[in-house]
Amino acid sequence: SAVISQKPSRDICQRGTSLTIQCQVDSQVTMMFWYRQQPGQSLTLIATANQGSEATYESGFVIDKFPISRPNLTFSTLTVSNMSPEDSSIYLCSVPSGGVLSFFGPGTRLTVL
Amino acid sequence: AQKVTQAQTEISVVEKEDVTLDCVYETRDTTYYLFWYKQPPSGELVFLIRRNSFDEQNEISGRYSWNFQKSTSSFNFTITASQVVDSAVYFCALRSSGTYKYIFGTGTRLKVLA
Repeated sequence: SAVISQKPSRDICQRGTSLTIQCQVDSQVTMMFWYRQQPGQSLTLIATANQGSEATYESGFVIDKFPISRPNLTFSTLTVSNMSPEDSSIYLCSVPSGGVLSFFGPGTRLTVL
Repeated sequence: AQKVTQAQTEISVVEKEDVTLDCVYETRDTTYYLFWYKQPPSGELVFLIRRNSFDEQNEISGRYSWNFQKSTSSFNFTITASQVVDSAVYFCALRSSGTYKYIFGTGTRLKVLA
């Protein structure tokens, strides 16, 4: 199984600012995924991050709002830009493992005031 | 379109009771995978079980058991002799073959009372 860490674990931010979330994996993976979990809601895929190419965004998510970097096979960042209270969520990164299963990071709990 | 429905938003049981969490899914794919994840208050997602669409054999693992029925598109999860530490939100998820994208249900919050 993959060991995934995220930084920060939680943060409280002001409206209009940006926050960059880091995801580190202990092994090389081709694909990394970013999910959002709004309060009391399910997880929704934001985008797929492949090393060496631009991220692929799901419907309803745009690069200007959620820019993603994937500089190597063990690391990715997700930036939440120009934040509003509606961006208050848990953000999780995920990597596939074993061909079928995916493992999830511990999440970053973001509160926007 | 793919969809996962967890009709139970919250369940409360007394410790040592058995509890079943329901999951109904929709997909047109012939090959797919179903999962249960647990999310304790700390927030991380803990993998519990996965099933392939071509494997309807049900399984028991310790206090956990699963009932997968393709005929009714259901993938239910039972905890036997529940414990307070089982208190968490449980998510059912669907993934089609050829993609790593998960479709999650809305989750069922389980509260086990001492």
